[in-house]
Amino acid sequence: EAGVAQSPRYKIIEKRQSVAFWCNPISGHATLYWYQQILGQGPKLLIQFQNNGVVDDSQLPKDRFSAERLKGVDSTLKIQPAKLEDSAVYLCASSPRISNTEAFFGQGTRLTVV
Amino acid sequence: RKEVEQDPGPFNVPEGATVAFNCTYSNSASQSFFWYRQDCRKEPKLLMSVYSSGNEDGRFTAQLNRASQYISLLIRDSKLSDSATYLCVVNGGYNKLIFGAGTRLAVHP
Repeated sequence: EAGVAQSPRYKIIEKRQSVAFWCNPISGHATLYWYQQILGQGPKLLIQFQNNGVVDDSQLPKDRFSAERLKGVDSTLKIQPAKLEDSAVYLCASSPRISNTEAFFGQGTRLTVV
Repeated sequence: RKEVEQDPGPFNVPEGATVAFNCTYSNSASQSFFWYRQDCRKEPKLLMSVYSSGNEDGRFTAQLNRASQYISLLIRDSKLSDSATYLCVVNGGYNKLIFGAGTRLAVHP
């Protein structure tokens, strides 16, 4: 079974530029998550989708971050404009159900904002 | 108060030692709990789920205390390969998985 696919693996941008990350979850997984992990911290949930609907985006900085999952399969996360503090690993994860089940993670995109 | 709290460590232990990590959570309605393992510069991977009755997988034992709202992970006979960060994860409802900051374990020869 193929895992969660993310691209790109690495990205370096200047502050105030925009960037987009892509995620393709495990086939058949209805729930998709985007997490931000700053060095030395645990993953912080940015947004959770159930199919193409948003379940939780309470910690998404909506003035600069946006995410979509239009067809309920793959998803994109965008940052515009980027700030230095956005430097982090952006992890996508998926799970097969919306209750009491673990999530499976992609390898992440390491973003450096300079 | 953070939703999920862990001692960041690091825990430095010799091979063969027994080490235990605790984690506390704030939402008493949480239904499911997990321990994930994260190696340096890698993604988190599920180590084990935590059940109310406690569960064991080889050298690893997980316990849940709902009354006190804490979860524990016990590692027996530590190996060098156990060196990693251990993340406590709590389901905050609708499978909103909330991660603790992680506890670092370093096992030395």
